[in-house]
Amino acid sequence: RKEVEQDPGPFNVPEGATVAFNCTYSNSASQSFFWYRQDCRKEPKLLMSVYSSGNEDGRFTAQLNRASQYISLLIRDSKLSDSATYLCVVNKGNGGSQGNLIFGKGTKLSVKP
Amino acid sequence: EPEVTQTPSHQVTQMGQEVILRCVPISNHLYFYWYRQILGQKVEFLVSFYNNEISEKSEIFDDQFSVERPDGSNFTLKIRSTKLEDSAMYFCASEGPPQETQYFGPGTRLLVL
Repeated sequence: RKEVEQDPGPFNVPEGATVAFNCTYSNSASQSFFWYRQDCRKEPKLLMSVYSSGNEDGRFTAQLNRASQYISLLIRDSKLSDSATYLCVVNKGNGGSQGNLIFGKGTKLSVKP
Repeated sequence: EPEVTQTPSHQVTQMGQEVILRCVPISNHLYFYWYRQILGQKVEFLVSFYNNEISEKSEIFDDQFSVERPDGSNFTLKIRSTKLEDSAMYFCASEGPPQETQYFGPGTRLLVL
């Protein structure tokens, strides 16, 4: 089983649509969970951390289910500028630091006018 | 907003040559990382560095690779004798307070011919 698994997409949606991404991870010892966004040929940028209680940041909602080892990201009212690859990321944690990050391959989103 | 910088942005080298990739982490950060991303593939962890020594490394980080923090600002990745399969985007990341988040530099695109 891959460490972090995502549907590669692409997801092609019209502006204003709601789109959901899912991710599963294999290491039950993982401590922290994130969604990063990566534009073509650019660096990953943190979109949001993911907590068990669920968290929301504007149009973005992230959920974590530790029992199922499942992470989700919901984007509401999608904009053209949301077009990017969304990376599911987990880490093991290592003492005082985040430790090394384990990336999924990403889900590509294309928002069309 | 402080950011991680990397130089050069692009490097082309001949197989067997040594390359040094440079990074300037965010100034008050304590943890430093190198990741790589082969074109079309996921971001992969190479090495983490804390308190002037390697804290963790992946299987990819073999004897051809080394890291150094030669002064208070730069963090370098050296590949001693490059191979064709070292062609990739190399990202530096630094992590620090107030929130333990890894911030990525813009990357160095390495092409080995």
